[in-house]
Amino acid sequence: LAKTTQPISMDSYEGQEVNITCSHNNIATNDYITWYQQFPSQGPRFIIQGYKTKVTNEVASLFIPADRKSSTLSLPRVSLSDTAVYYCLVGPNSGGYQKVTFGTGTKLQVIP
Amino acid sequence: SQTIHQWPATLVQPVGSPLSLECTVEGTSNPNLYWYRQAAGRGLQLLFYSVGIGQISSEVPQNLSASRPQDRQFILSSKKLLLSDSGFYLCAWSEAGPPYEQYFGPGTRLTVT
Repeated sequence: LAKTTQPISMDSYEGQEVNITCSHNNIATNDYITWYQQFPSQGPRFIIQGYKTKVTNEVASLFIPADRKSSTLSLPRVSLSDTAVYYCLVGPNSGGYQKVTFGTGTKLQVIP
Repeated sequence: SQTIHQWPATLVQPVGSPLSLECTVEGTSNPNLYWYRQAAGRGLQLLFYSVGIGQISSEVPQNLSASRPQDRQFILSSKKLLLSDSGFYLCAWSEAGPPYEQYFGPGTRLTVT
């Protein structure tokens, strides 16, 4: 499994755009990049998944450069309710399931 | 729509006692099922996953076991709990095909005393 590295914590003011970068230098050709969000005492919730270039949905964007050795989760105009831990996962979408490892994630604190 | 249930929500058990946590999924068939554990302030550790009835794969050697007696039922067990088994246990399911987005249950907070 590709190892991922992301900042332990980040602070941001309400209304700002937040970018969380994840490094995955040994990403394999068939690996996908997935981000989850977790609130205290809850299970993680899927945010977005991508393979290359840019993916956007109603809550976030995922930017993946051509070499795929890193990725950036972008949260537009964060609110206090976006305070959570964000996990970057890398793993193949094959073999019947996606084998991934949840690290310690990035703890995002949104400040009023 | 699909829903995932876990019970109990909280559990306090003495060291050496048995454990049984249950997870059920509704609204889907042949899901992939997962058990995770999260220690306080830590990330999620994958314990077991299953791609079908009776098919269990263990990720971490320990005194825990898992079973899948029915398509949408996943059980986590232990014969003798250790203090280190304390944590937040999460069950998750995903479709049996890409992108394998995982949907998590509400979790069970286990305290071993």
